[in-house]
Amino acid sequence: ETGVTQSPTHLIKTRGQQVTLRCSSQSGHNTVSWYQQALGQGPQFIFQYYREEENGRGNFPPRFSGLQFPNYSSELNVNALELDDSALYLCASSLAGDYGYTFGSGTRLTVV
Amino acid sequence: RKEVEQDPGPFNVPEGATVAFNCTYSNSASQSFFWYRQDCRKEPKLLMSVYSSGNEDGRFTAQLNRASQYISLLIRDSKLSDSATYLCVVRRGGGADGLTFGKGTHLIIQP
Repeated sequence: ETGVTQSPTHLIKTRGQQVTLRCSSQSGHNTVSWYQQALGQGPQFIFQYYREEENGRGNFPPRFSGLQFPNYSSELNVNALELDDSALYLCASSLAGDYGYTFGSGTRLTVV
Repeated sequence: RKEVEQDPGPFNVPEGATVAFNCTYSNSASQSFFWYRQDCRKEPKLLMSVYSSGNEDGRFTAQLNRASQYISLLIRDSKLSDSATYLCVVRRGGGADGLTFGKGTHLIIQP
């Protein structure tokens, strides 16, 4: 059973640029959610995808968007990067209706 | 007011001691409750779910008080390997709301 994998592991971008982060869900999981964890804070829910549709969203602006593919993998896109977007971005997969979430090891994004 | 509040610590505890963490949550619609453990610069990992009846997993005991909207975690006979950040997590009913995390409590077990 493969776990959740995220790529890249680290990324440095310039303010105003766009970034795409990728996540492969755990085998058998059909739901993917994304979280942003700033230094010294707990993870914050960005959004969740199920059956290729966004079905839940936290308090993040529209410049945070995503996709889910038929194989349940997912992308997180962030446009017009701001310095405050610097954080660890975590992807979690789960099976709809099940409360077990498996997290990937994250992508550390630095915006300069 | 934050939806999930925890004392960030750090808690410095000698090896072998018992330590307890608490958290409170503000949304009475919360349905599911968890403790996650996060090691430095790693992803969160589920430590245990929390039930109203209380539950135990080895040296770890979790309790939920729905009336007071309060969750606790007790670690007995603490080990050096228990040093980590412990995240209190709640989830509202339904599948689409994601998990709401507290800021975490930093625990340092000292030899």
